Amino acid sequence: EVQLVESGGGLVQPGGSLRLSCAASGFTVSSNYMSWVRQAPGKGLEWVSVIYSGGSTYYADSVKGRFTISRDNSKNTLYLQMNSLRAEDTAVYYCASSSGPDAFDIWGQGTMVTVSS
Amino acid sequence: EIVLTQSPGTLSLSPGERATLSCRASQSVSSSYLAWYQQKPGQAPRLLIYGASSRATGIPDRFSGSGSGTDFTLTISRLEPEDFAVYYCQQYGSSFGGGTKVEIK
Repeated sequence: EVQLVESGGGLVQPGGSLRLSCAASGFTVSSNYMSWVRQAPGKGLEWVSVIYSGGSTYYADSVKGRFTISRDNSKNTLYLQMNSLRAEDTAVYYCASSSGPDAFDIWGQGTMVTVSS
Repeated sequence: EIVLTQSPGTLSLSPGERATLSCRASQSVSSSYLAWYQQKPGQAPRLLIYGASSRATGIPDRFSGSGSGTDFTLTISRLEPEDFAVYYCQQYGSSFGGGTKVEIK
């Protein structure tokens, strides 16, 4: 079964760090374009970051310089390292997959990140 | 960066009615790179339409997508109870529209 399962969310203080994980099954993370998308409470979807199958990475301006996307091919897992967290980073974070430059056809269930003192 | 603007923000309709949702881009978008998603409360988004007009696997044929350039449309021909949700357009791998909520009238 094709599946994405996120983990690593939680409560963190402003300025803190958190690493999200997204474990894939049924397909190979390194063969797809893997993205992170977030959704603040009661708000719409916001694309955060992507890692291409070739390894290139891109970020939304709102997280550039603070977040780092990566993958571990041996674990078939996607990561999002989030540093210098702000209150406005509070959201449900979804990982999503596409077969190249295509629509996101596989989504995880999401993991909640709350940035608050 | 291309900005996608969806309208209306909320659509109040009855089951059986036709829903027409709009997505307008600030610059021309390749039709091949426009998708629509459905999201229900507490759930992850689900891909409905890719390439502006192709239905994803398992999507009923009451859902259809059309458009090109800067204007795209998602049409639900006859609303079923399970279709009441929020719908987002997206340029592949990038920005999403703000969403249209389809609610029961």
